[in-house]
Amino acid sequence: GAGVSQSPSNKVTEKGKDVELRCDPISGHTALYWYRQSLGQGLEFLIYFQGNSAPDKSGLPSDRFSAERTGGSVSTLTIQRTQQEDSAVYLCASSLASGQGTYEQYFGPGTRLTVT
Amino acid sequence: DAKTTQPPSMDCAEGRAANLPCNHSTISGNEYVYWYRQIHSQGPQYIIHGLKNNETNEMASLIITEDRKSSTLILPHATLRDTAVYYCIVRVANAGGTSYGKLTFGQGTILTVHP
Repeated sequence: GAGVSQSPSNKVTEKGKDVELRCDPISGHTALYWYRQSLGQGLEFLIYFQGNSAPDKSGLPSDRFSAERTGGSVSTLTIQRTQQEDSAVYLCASSLASGQGTYEQYFGPGTRLTVT
Repeated sequence: DAKTTQPPSMDCAEGRAANLPCNHSTISGNEYVYWYRQIHSQGPQYIIHGLKNNETNEMASLIITEDRKSSTLILPHATLRDTAVYYCIVRVANAGGTSYGKLTFGQGTILTVHP
């Protein structure tokens, strides 16, 4: 079946502009995660949505970052007034997360964001 | 979640077994050990996970020591396509034995499989 998809695959933007990154999770997955990976850095958790619960925003680095998940499916990560340090690969993942079980996350290919 | 320690890099000859160690000495009784890998320019890929017992699937085997303070991921017959960064992650199990929520990635081990 279809995996996690992300768009765009690459985005180049000027410093100070806003950007929106999109994630389409695997159908039926109730949990959705955003991570980012900066050059030479490990993967850093940003935000986590689970069903109708309030999202875990504990990883968002500043108030310029926000995310929403409409209809329990597609998610958009928005970065306002982008800075050069926002340049990174932004990865989305989804998983099942209901009832008992240990649920692995399935990652998309990522969006490479370059802020010039 | 407990912290993990992995060697920064390892080499393995194609066709041989790759044994990737992970130390998680502060692991709690309700924490799972997960392994993911990231091939260059791709998103991470789930490999295997375990709690106490050794586990095996079509990709790999996971050996967890009796005291659970360390584990080893085994790729029985490494191929060039197994060259990747391998991440060992400890993740809490929620009430009822479920396990979901964010993953905390460390620096991982860069495994290079050579001909």
